[in-house]
Amino acid sequence: GAGVSQSPRYKVAKRGQDVALRCDPISGHVSLFWYQQALGQGPEFLTYFQNEAQLDKSGLPSDRFFAERPEGSVSTLKIQRTQQEDSAVYLCASSLGLRGETQYFGPGTRLLVL
Amino acid sequence: AQKVTQAQTEISVVEKEDVTLDCVYETRDTTYYLFWYKQPPSGELVFLIRRNSFDEQNEISGRYSWNFQKSTSSFNFTITASQVVDSAVYFCALGALNTDKLIFGTGTRLQVFP
Repeated sequence: GAGVSQSPRYKVAKRGQDVALRCDPISGHVSLFWYQQALGQGPEFLTYFQNEAQLDKSGLPSDRFFAERPEGSVSTLKIQRTQQEDSAVYLCASSLGLRGETQYFGPGTRLLVL
Repeated sequence: AQKVTQAQTEISVVEKEDVTLDCVYETRDTTYYLFWYKQPPSGELVFLIRRNSFDEQNEISGRYSWNFQKSTSSFNFTITASQVVDSAVYFCALGALNTDKLIFGTGTRLQVFP
């Protein structure tokens, strides 16, 4: 079946612009995760959904970051008033829903803020 | 606190050599999960293996093998007879039952030269 898909794959934004990143999880996967990966580093957790409920947003770096999953499927990560330090790869992952289950990752969105 | 350490930043080998990637983890949880992911130049994180803390059996899958040792908190990954296609960044990650996020190491870049 289809894996996790993300769009756009690349995004260039001017500082101060708002951006929206989309994630389409594997069909039937209850849990959805967002991670941020800076250059040369491992992915770092941003937020987590179980169905439409955002159960953990402890990793969001500031109130400029906002995520939603209104119907329990597709999710959008929004960054308002982008800053240069927001430049990174944003990875989305999904899993069946039980803790400890394998998370399957999408190809990521590479964001460059100029 | 939970932590994953991949002390090897970069490893270079010649094709057909065996190579071992080290992973050391820290957790106070008695139940936890360990993962290895491969990140080729395309950027997508590819799942390789998942182990739970109760199963210390080593695993072999083709040229890949994993050595899980709770006594030393290590989960090392060996590639036998490496190939150029194995060139990628490899991440070790830790998950626990009391959290949904994965904690990643900083990754090991493996370069296999022909």
